[in-house]
Amino acid sequence: NAGVMQNPRHLVRRRGQEARLRCSPMKGHSHVYWYRQLPEEGLKFMVYLQKENIIDESGMPKERFSAEFPKEGPSILRIQQVVRGDSAAYFCASSPPSVSYEQYFGPGTRLTVT
Amino acid sequence: SQQGEEDPQALSIQEGENATMNCSYKTSINNLQWYRQNSGRGLVHLILIRSNEREKHSGRLRVTLDTSKKSSSLLITASRAADTASYFCATDFQGAQKLVFGQGTRLTINP
Repeated sequence: NAGVMQNPRHLVRRRGQEARLRCSPMKGHSHVYWYRQLPEEGLKFMVYLQKENIIDESGMPKERFSAEFPKEGPSILRIQQVVRGDSAAYFCASSPPSVSYEQYFGPGTRLTVT
Repeated sequence: SQQGEEDPQALSIQEGENATMNCSYKTSINNLQWYRQNSGRGLVHLILIRSNEREKHSGRLRVTLDTSKKSSSLLITASRAADTASYFCATDFQGAQKLVFGQGTRLTINP
């Protein structure tokens, strides 16, 4: 059973470009969570999604950030018009429907904005 | 401020010694988890302790939970060089599905 997969692992964008981060949850998991980790800090919750629904986006910046988890395909975290402060590691986690606190993390995408 | 805070922020010990890390949190929880993160990598789940449990063991790991003090500790016995990593505690925040992480303890095991 493959774990949570994220791609790309590393992404370099210039200021003003768009970044798209992908996450494929573990087989059988229908809940996806995105977290951001700044250097030397812990992970901060961004958004929680189920298939075709955003359940909790209380940690998402109000502008430029969006997330989706379509019926088919991976979950996407999209950052428009990136700025240097968006440079961070973005982690995706997934959980089975009945046990939401058992979150399994992917390897992360390291975004660098130049 | 954050729900979980680890202490110390950094810990350096000799191989074979025991390492103890602490975590404090602010609100009531259903469970508390500990994760390990090797440099530049993702998080590995170590152990989960529920709010009605006081102590849990897994191999060389021992976790305690004191809900009256809103604190937890992670003990790694007989440390190895491979234990060098950052360790984070994470709590569910007021029963919500999101996990709230502390800033972590950076553990270095010296050979």
